[in-house]
Amino acid sequence: KNQVEQSPQSLIILEGKNCTLQCNYTVSPFSNLRWYKQDTGRGPVSLTIMTFSENTKSNGRYTATLDADTKQSSLHITASQLSDSASYICVVSAEGTSGTYKYIFGTGTRLKVLA
Amino acid sequence: DTAVSQTPKYLVTQMGNDKSIKCEQNLGHDTMYWYKQDSKKFLKIMFSYNNKELIINETVPNRFSPKSPDKAHLNLHINSLELGDSAVYFCASSQGHGDAYEQYFGPGTRLTVT
Repeated sequence: KNQVEQSPQSLIILEGKNCTLQCNYTVSPFSNLRWYKQDTGRGPVSLTIMTFSENTKSNGRYTATLDADTKQSSLHITASQLSDSASYICVVSAEGTSGTYKYIFGTGTRLKVLA
Repeated sequence: DTAVSQTPKYLVTQMGNDKSIKCEQNLGHDTMYWYKQDSKKFLKIMFSYNNKELIINETVPNRFSPKSPDKAHLNLHINSLELGDSAVYFCASSQGHGDAYEQYFGPGTRLTVT
């Protein structure tokens, strides 16, 4: 069964600290993995997209890693800011038939950064 | 400049009613999507349209009927609303069809069925 699990469910850190969010998946056949940031009351915003052959990808203070062998990804946030408070969602896509794709969403990690 | 816009932002209605949510994108994208986010914040894709043609239909009840009058619009019509339809509905668009393309989401429409 295609599944994406994220941990922790929620996280509270102090401003300026680093943190790492985890995403484990059992999706086949794997196509790519995305991390989204979703602010409260807003739509998700893409942070990174990684294919099978990519191990790491950065977007400013956000760095995503992918280990396709262990089917794990992490999102590392450096020097957190108050504006990083949001939900972070991991999405894995699986290639289907006739060029279609299945998008399997994780339930997200809710991050709160305190001053 | 609003890239992906949805109307209305909030929608409160009674069971059994029919309602529509509109979505427009001004990015010149070919592909548009509808997602549902439930109370546990779990996002699930409902439909995907590419150049006005249905590409993905994720076993959504046929009470939900997407309509794409042109590439820039993908509206969602819901018949005979049920309590379980209460959720936030997001529209999104991407340049092309395929998972390598980045998706841009609208602000969401919070639907409450009473």
